[in-house]
Amino acid sequence: SQQGEEDPQALSIQEGENATMNCSYKTSINNLQWYRQNSGRGLVHLILIRSNEREKHSGRLRVTLDTSKKSSSLLITASRAADTASYFCATATFRNFNKFYFGSGTKLNVKP
Amino acid sequence: GAGVSQSPSNKVTEKGKDVELRCDPISGHTALYWYRQSLGQGLEFLIYFQGNSAPDKSGLPSDRFSAERTGGSVSTLTIQRTQQEDSAVYLCASIGRPNTGELFFGEGSRLTVL
Repeated sequence: SQQGEEDPQALSIQEGENATMNCSYKTSINNLQWYRQNSGRGLVHLILIRSNEREKHSGRLRVTLDTSKKSSSLLITASRAADTASYFCATATFRNFNKFYFGSGTKLNVKP
Repeated sequence: GAGVSQSPSNKVTEKGKDVELRCDPISGHTALYWYRQSLGQGLEFLIYFQGNSAPDKSGLPSDRFSAERTGGSVSTLTIQRTQQEDSAVYLCASIGRPNTGELFFGEGSRLTVL
């Protein structure tokens, strides 16, 4: 399977702390994306990193990609209660960069 | 519309009945995807439409599942003879330019098969 697998499955932190989630995948990818899903809602795109990029920032988000280890991490700095959600990574391969495979997600709980 | 619209938002049906779920993508988006999300789980790819090309149906779990996209816009996912294991949230997403890779998701249709 080309699916990404997130780690940990669940993470509980205090507001203000940083949250780190990891994603590992099996086959070579064209790009990797992170999405957020609030309970009972659809997914919202956060950030995309291409296979030739190593790090990307967007506001309080920092994503790294290590293609040699087939892994990515999402760091949320100075977390807020509103960051409570599930976070998913999605991968697309060179063979079919329009087909996206999602992992099972990390459930983040930020306690106020 | 401004976003991807799905209907119904909730559907309760009896085992053995057929259901239709509708997705109205963002205007002008050429690619449309259906995913299934079981309770507390990740997203399972079902089917993908790209323009006028033949759809990629490789994720459909059985021949009870089918989908069509009319006029390159609205899509309908049909599940025939529903089973309890079909209970899940069915998510639709569209994408405007494949090179950006950003999927825009609807809120989903929650299907419960009794």
